[in-house]
Order: sequence, then structure tokens, then C-alpha cells
Amino acid sequence: DAKTTQPPSMDCAEGRAANLPCNHSTISGNEYVYWYRQIHSQGPQYIIHGLKNNETNEMASLIITEDRKSSTLILPHATLRDTAVYYCIVRVAVGSNFGNEKLTFGTGTRLTIIP
Amino acid sequence: NAGVTQTPKFRILKIGQSMTLQCTQDMNHNYMYWYRQDPGMGLKLIYYSVGAGITDKGEVPNGYNVSRSTTEDFPLRLELAAPSQTSVYFCATRDRAIGATNEKLFFGSGTQLSVL
Repeated sequence: DAKTTQPPSMDCAEGRAANLPCNHSTISGNEYVYWYRQIHSQGPQYIIHGLKNNETNEMASLIITEDRKSSTLILPHATLRDTAVYYCIVRVAVGSNFGNEKLTFGTGTRLTIIP
Repeated sequence: NAGVTQTPKFRILKIGQSMTLQCTQDMNHNYMYWYRQDPGMGLKLIYYSVGAGITDKGEVPNGYNVSRSTTEDFPLRLELAAPSQTSVYFCATRDRAIGATNEKLFFGSGTQLSVL
């Protein structure tokens, strides 16, 4: 099972780009990288996911290195509402007869946007 | 379209009491999950279900039971509450998209449980 490593905390000035790194050096070829965030004890919210190529949506961009061993989530113009814990996750195969998969959440990066 | 609804939002239990945390969804998603989150920690999977009548254990199933009699509902049962079960509980769902490339989870707002 691929595991992820994230810095425990980061600060970013409001209006600047927030770049959140994630290391997943043991990721296998068919595992996706997912990003979620959790704002102040609310339920986590999906942000973006990718396999090999860089991805962009209305919330963020995801940059995955060519060897897929790390990725970076980019919030292009951070606002105070982006203050949250950000989770980088790789899809983990379930050890059961179902052959289905679950997502395992680590402790994430606490991002604080500074006014 | 309410999404994922959890009840109650808060509950205080005495040691040894039992209770059921309710989770219901109106998105017709096959997959449903129960997570717990202890203070300052990430989420840990308790149980999950891939469809009505099918459940399986996650990372931390001890002390809990689940059932899935309908697509919509996935209740979590605590039989003998212990202080170690003090936590915030989140229910989540996802659709079973063809090709399984979209593993987007939808979370409820959580139930904060204290066992004293």
C-alpha cells in the first residue's frame, strides 16, 4: 500500500498561490492521487484527483511528477476560506474478497492563510 | 437533494450505554463508509459497505457493528460505549462509476460523540 508524507503545517499569504507538497514514493502504477480538505471539523471535501497527467479544475491544480513519486496541490489565489487541513491520499486496495478499494486518510497538512 | 445526512449531531453517552448513529443518503450511491476522527488526527475507517446486504471491516472495527438493509441507510451501532470511542464520526458515500476511476467521496457533517 502506498503511503503519503505531508508537512504537518504551512502558512500562505492571502492572494498568493498555496503549494502543498505530498510524497508518495511507493505508489504503484494503477493508484490514483486524491486530494481532500477539511474545514474546521466539517466533513472532508473532495478537491481533485489524478493518475499521471497534471489536472486542473475550478478549485485547484494538481501537478504529479513524471516518476509519480510526489505531487503538489496548487491553490492559485488563496483566500481566508482556504484555511483547512489538506489530505493527500492514494487509493488503497482493500484486503477482502470484494476486491474493492477504500481511501485511507493520514494527518494531512494544516494550511493557514494569513491576511 | 440533501446528500449525506447524519444524526444526531452531538451525543453524550455513559460508559456501557448503547446507541446507533444514523446515516442516510439520497444519491443512490452503492458505497458507504463510516470513519472516526480523534482530535488532531486523520480519519480512520471503521466499516464500509459496497451495497445493500454487504458490509466489511475497516481499520478499527472493534466495538462497532453495522448493517445495510437498504441502499439509502447505513447505521453504525455502539453496543457498550467506552471512553476510547469518544470521537467525531463521519459517514461517507461514493458512486460506483464504470471503470472505477472516480473515487470521489461525499461526506456528512459528522456526529460528535463523548463517552463519560
